[in-house]
Amino acid sequence: DQQVKQNSPSLSVQEGRISILNCDYTNSMFDYFLWYKKYPAEGPTFLISISSIKDKNEDGRFTVFLNKSAKHLSLHIVPSQPGDSAVYFCAASAWMQGAQKLVFGQGTRLTINP
Amino acid sequence: NAGVMQNPRHLVRRRGQEARLRCSPMKGHSHVYWYRQLPEEGLKFMVYLQKENIIDESGMPKERFSAEFPKEGPSILRIQQVVRGDSAAYFCASSPGGAGYEQYFGPGTRLTVT
Repeated sequence: DQQVKQNSPSLSVQEGRISILNCDYTNSMFDYFLWYKKYPAEGPTFLISISSIKDKNEDGRFTVFLNKSAKHLSLHIVPSQPGDSAVYFCAASAWMQGAQKLVFGQGTRLTINP
Repeated sequence: NAGVMQNPRHLVRRRGQEARLRCSPMKGHSHVYWYRQLPEEGLKFMVYLQKENIIDESGMPKERFSAEFPKEGPSILRIQQVVRGDSAAYFCASSPGGAGYEQYFGPGTRLTVT
């Protein structure tokens, strides 16, 4: 039962253009959403988050959009840079059985082409 | 302010041996989470601990796996009698606690069972 899904395993974008990474979830209990970035042989790095009471959060080149009715969120990176090439994980948070839990998607490998 | 520390970074064990993975959370963080990532998959939650307490171990296999977070010292994930299927990257994350807090990840331990 995949509660958080990233349906695109990979994405290739030209440098300077916009990268859009998508994520869908099924559990209405999720109340906080996060994006992590991961380079090979390193741990995931927190990138940006959004509370379920908001529909947009922006931090520099990164913007996360949340559509609660569609249970969908997206991460926009603009302009895309070569250093953005990494695997991006979407994660959703909820209190379950007395503890905060993060549920991760499978990840999307983003490649920025010069 | 040091980040989350994990050691060893790489661990090779033969089938039937024990594997011990260590995690030191960020300073000031009292919540520790362990995740496992199999090749080409996302991160799967294993266990959530606070100092001296296991809060949620619903993601941990019932046999051979155990975790602790003592009052003093790092958190330990212990795998007894390892099998080839245990080969994976194991990530530890820490947070100051509470719903909505981001989790900060260590660099991971890559376990290889031969």
